[in-house]
Amino acid sequence: EVQLVESGGGLVQPGGSLRLSCAASGFTFNNHWMNWVRQAPGKGLEWVANIKYDGTEKYFVDSVKGRFTVSRDNAKNSLYLQMNSLRDEDTAVYYCARDSSTNNWPHYFDYWGQGTLVTVSS
Amino acid sequence: DIQMTQSPSSLSASVGDTVTITCRASQDISSWLAWYQQKPEKAPKSLIYTASSLQSGVPSRFSGSGFGTEFTLTIRSLQPEDFATYYCQQYSNYPRTFGGGTKVEIK
Repeated sequence: EVQLVESGGGLVQPGGSLRLSCAASGFTFNNHWMNWVRQAPGKGLEWVANIKYDGTEKYFVDSVKGRFTVSRDNAKNSLYLQMNSLRDEDTAVYYCARDSSTNNWPHYFDYWGQGTLVTVSS
Repeated sequence: DIQMTQSPSSLSASVGDTVTITCRASQDISSWLAWYQQKPEKAPKSLIYTASSLQSGVPSRFSGSGFGTEFTLTIRSLQPEDFATYYCQQYSNYPRTFGGGTKVEIK
């Protein structure tokens, strides 16, 4: 059974940093692209970033470029999102989502974690 | 960025009804479209990919169609567990973008 478990969320002040983790199990982690998707309270879904199965390609939504980085440790079956210079508008539930793709072009998100809440507030 | 526009933003329906949700892309995305279902306080769940392919385990009352810029999600014989919010998402270009969502409520 595919399982994705996020952790690391919490309350942080504007300008602060936070590192989210996603522990994956039930599938061959190093075969799949992985994604972060967020949802602000009461709002819709926003894709944040993805990373290729071998970590050699990464893509970000413009609003987080230069502030967020995505990484993975295939030996630990783990995905990470390092968030720096956090802003009020980064407040959201952050979901880790597996990409269905195991080749060079990522596709849709076939499995999602339960999410972790990040609150940016003074 | 490709804008994804869903309509309606909400609808009321009864158990047993057929419901259709539309998603329009601001440019041609071929068949690179997915649909997700989200229930309150839960993670989204994949329903449909490449516009019309049913995700494993999803009931056959869900179907998708469309190509290019116009897509539909149809739910036939609506069941109580189908009351949720539905999102379309394109994966043709970066950034990946979602529609604003359609909330399906009980009439």
